[in-house]
Amino acid sequence: DAGVIQSPRHEVTEMGQEVTLRCKPISGHNSLFWYRQTMMRGLELLIYFNNNVPIDDSGMPEDRFSAKMPNASFSTLKIQPSEPRDSAVYFCASSPSDRANSPLHFGNGTRLTVT
Amino acid sequence: GDSVTQMEGPVTLSEEAFLTINCTYTATGYPSLFWYVQYPGEGLQLLLKATKADDKGSNKGFEATYRKETTSFHLEKGSVQVSDSAVYFCALLKAAGNKLTFGGGTRVLVKP
Repeated sequence: DAGVIQSPRHEVTEMGQEVTLRCKPISGHNSLFWYRQTMMRGLELLIYFNNNVPIDDSGMPEDRFSAKMPNASFSTLKIQPSEPRDSAVYFCASSPSDRANSPLHFGNGTRLTVT
Repeated sequence: GDSVTQMEGPVTLSEEAFLTINCTYTATGYPSLFWYVQYPGEGLQLLLKATKADDKGSNKGFEATYRKETTSFHLEKGSVQVSDSAVYFCALLKAAGNKLTFGGGTRVLVKP
């Protein structure tokens, strides 16, 4: 099992540019989560999907952020336009069930730097 | 709302020392409790969990007991190694939901 795969590992972009982060969940997992990690705010849940449907996007900071899950094996998080305050590590995680107690499996993250 | 509070780090220890990381939570109902560990440059990994009061989770020499009376889930290890250097996150999951609430994380540095 390859685990949750995220790409790219690092992204450096200029303010105003569009950024797309990608995630491939573990096969068979039907819940997918996007988190953002910063020193100031710790880990924040941005959005999560169950069976490809967005269930809760209340953590998405503003309209510049959007997430999609077109199929069970792929999700994207897009920031347009990007701003320096978006600099963070973005994690994707998946779990095998929408039942309680299902552990999350995290990818290694995408470190985003917006200059 | 639900919240998790962890002791602030960094915690610096010598090899073979005893480690305790305090974690308390605020939540209605009966949440499940978790400890995750994050090694440098990696995502979080589940370390251990407990799903009901008085349960003890254990893994890799780490232990934590779900104490409902004190709303706590402190992480302990009797003899740490350099390889235990990481950031540790306490988290809770409500029984009816699918959203983990994380604490702020505690960085642990073990020196040889």
